[in-house]
Amino acid sequence: GNSVTQMEGPVTLSEEAFLTINCTYTATGYPSLFWYVQYPGEGLQLLLKATKADDKGSNKGFEATYRKETTSFHLEKGSVQVSDSAVYFCALSPKSFQKLVFGTGTRLLVSP
Amino acid sequence: DADVTQTPRNRITKTGKRIMLECSQTKGHDRMYWYRQDPGLGLQLIYYSFDVKDINKGEISDGYSVSRQAQAKFSLSLESAIPNQTALYFCATGARANTGELFFGEGSRLTVL
Repeated sequence: GNSVTQMEGPVTLSEEAFLTINCTYTATGYPSLFWYVQYPGEGLQLLLKATKADDKGSNKGFEATYRKETTSFHLEKGSVQVSDSAVYFCALSPKSFQKLVFGTGTRLLVSP
Repeated sequence: DADVTQTPRNRITKTGKRIMLECSQTKGHDRMYWYRQDPGLGLQLIYYSFDVKDINKGEISDGYSVSRQAQAKFSLSLESAIPNQTALYFCATGARANTGELFFGEGSRLTVL
């Protein structure tokens, strides 16, 4: 079946620190991969995506590379800000796209 | 105004009561979804609909039902609420031309006492 595993949080960082949130997946075939972000009191919104192996998704300084050989899609940012504090969800979609399968989410807390 | 609107935003009810959560969207999307969010469990899919006549169960549909009244409206019902249905519920929409991107409402927090 399809599943997504994320590192548990919370991840606590100081402003300007480097961020990595690990995500690995299990899927049949070659799914599309996504990172969604949920700010406090809001719904989820798409942060970035990659649709095939070796693709790099990027947005707002965040990046993630689709690694087929390690079935991973780790989220990185070189210098986090307080405003990046949120819950980050890794997700996959089979190519047939019936639905998204989400990981459990990782809470990021950034202090000044 | 939000593209995906959920009502009510918060609801407290008692065990055994019938509850309806409503979702409406102005994005013109064909696909609509209901997810449930629990701490430590992420989002789990309850039901999804690819058009008005197409309703599908997700991973955790037991105890829930849905109605797709129109392209823009998708309601979730709990016929007889129980405490372990206390959660945050999200409606989402997606375009038929699949990009994998879903658009979420702000959530409906339900507490069953």
